[in-house]
Amino acid sequence: ETGVTQTPRHLVMGMTNKKSLKCEQHLGHNAMYWYKQSAKKPLELMFVYNFKEQTENNSVPSRFSPECPNSSHLFLHLHTLQPEDSALYLCASSQDLDGYNEQFFGPGTRLTVL
Amino acid sequence: AQTVTQSQPEMSVQEAETVTLSCTYDTSESDYYLFWYKQPPSRQMILVIRQEAYKQQNATENRFSVNFQKAAKSFSLKISDSQLGDAAMYFCAYRSARAGNQFYFGTGTSLTVIP
Repeated sequence: ETGVTQTPRHLVMGMTNKKSLKCEQHLGHNAMYWYKQSAKKPLELMFVYNFKEQTENNSVPSRFSPECPNSSHLFLHLHTLQPEDSALYLCASSQDLDGYNEQFFGPGTRLTVL
Repeated sequence: AQTVTQSQPEMSVQEAETVTLSCTYDTSESDYYLFWYKQPPSRQMILVIRQEAYKQQNATENRFSVNFQKAAKSFSLKISDSQLGDAAMYFCAYRSARAGNQFYFGTGTSLTVIP
């Protein structure tokens, strides 16, 4: 596979469930990102990792827990979510954190919290 | 914090015609990058075009070009000879040239191409 892949593509969970989103990039990049995309709102950056180290946490609630075991993989662990957390969660990667570098996005995970 | 504004939630264009999508941004920095991303329905977001703020010349990529007005903090995207495959959400994004800074995205413009 090439590019950025995300699994699962769709996820429905109850508020008491625990689930994880997975992202994998096959581009040899060093930086990875989690975004939340809600209708009629700008993409919200959640977390940034560079060389496996977290560099940004944009005041994300603790019910979202990221994990970056290596530069190619990024996880988002979910527990006790709220219905307002329903959204499209996008993973992205870039060569590094240089401003010039574009981000390559995955297809997203459509999350529904009941 | 920087903000990016796309004032047109929806736009439509006749196939083969030209359409311009608007974007304005707010920043106190002088060195930064601007991007237009395209997100087709149920498909991945991809980069359309990129502009470096220190370059006066407007970026072009085939049928896509920008009108970058630095003083006005405006960055519009022009799509010429529109094709059905251009139908998508288009997002304008800003990123500081300082390493480590995040992207700031607009709310997007949904473009419909009419056959």
